[in-house]
Amino acid sequence: EAQVTQNPRYLITVTGKKLTVTCSQNMNHEYMSWYRQDPGLGLRQIYYSMNVEVTDKGDVPEGYKVSRKEKRNFPLILESPSPNQTSLYFCASRLSRDSPLHFGNGTRLTVT
Amino acid sequence: RKEVEQDPGPFNVPEGATVAFNCTYSNSASQSFFWYRQDCRKEPKLLMSVYSSGNEDGRFTAQLNRASQYISLLIRDSKLSDSATYLCVTPSGGGSYIPTFGRGTSLIVHP
Repeated sequence: EAQVTQNPRYLITVTGKKLTVTCSQNMNHEYMSWYRQDPGLGLRQIYYSMNVEVTDKGDVPEGYKVSRKEKRNFPLILESPSPNQTSLYFCASRLSRDSPLHFGNGTRLTVT
Repeated sequence: RKEVEQDPGPFNVPEGATVAFNCTYSNSASQSFFWYRQDCRKEPKLLMSVYSSGNEDGRFTAQLNRASQYISLLIRDSKLSDSATYLCVTPSGGGSYIPTFGRGTSLIVHP
């Protein structure tokens, strides 16, 4: 089954404790991206990647890192999480720039 | 930057009603558009692609008006299960690789 898989689904952590949210897709998509969704603000792109070893900042990259060492994986790294990063996070992939996005089922992160 | 705008609603309609949402976009270079459905705290799911000629899938019809720069979604014979938030998206605008999402329109279908 074609899908985007994120883990974990739920994560509660404390300020400053490094964490990684994993994202994997099995559709051989070139493009992958990370979003956060907050009430009243909609979906905002954090980082995106157009191919292996090619990443770029989205609209809200501060406090996040990504890597794209393999085509299928695109982890999101929070080196020192803060409470303002409490949010619902989605990973997405797409075949090309004008293709529809396929979303993972989300990671709900709480930073206390 | 508000490149894609939607009326947040909520649209409160009875079962069986026909309801329409519009979404306006500002980047005339945008080539493709999509409607997504999002249930509370779940991932957005692709509902329809929007083509210049219009696109119909069962009770759902999507249309694109390039001259006025808006896309529309029409839902006929609304079901309770249609209650959700509907997002319009343009994956790219000109040279940009950053998709632009509307903030969504909330639909509540009641008995």
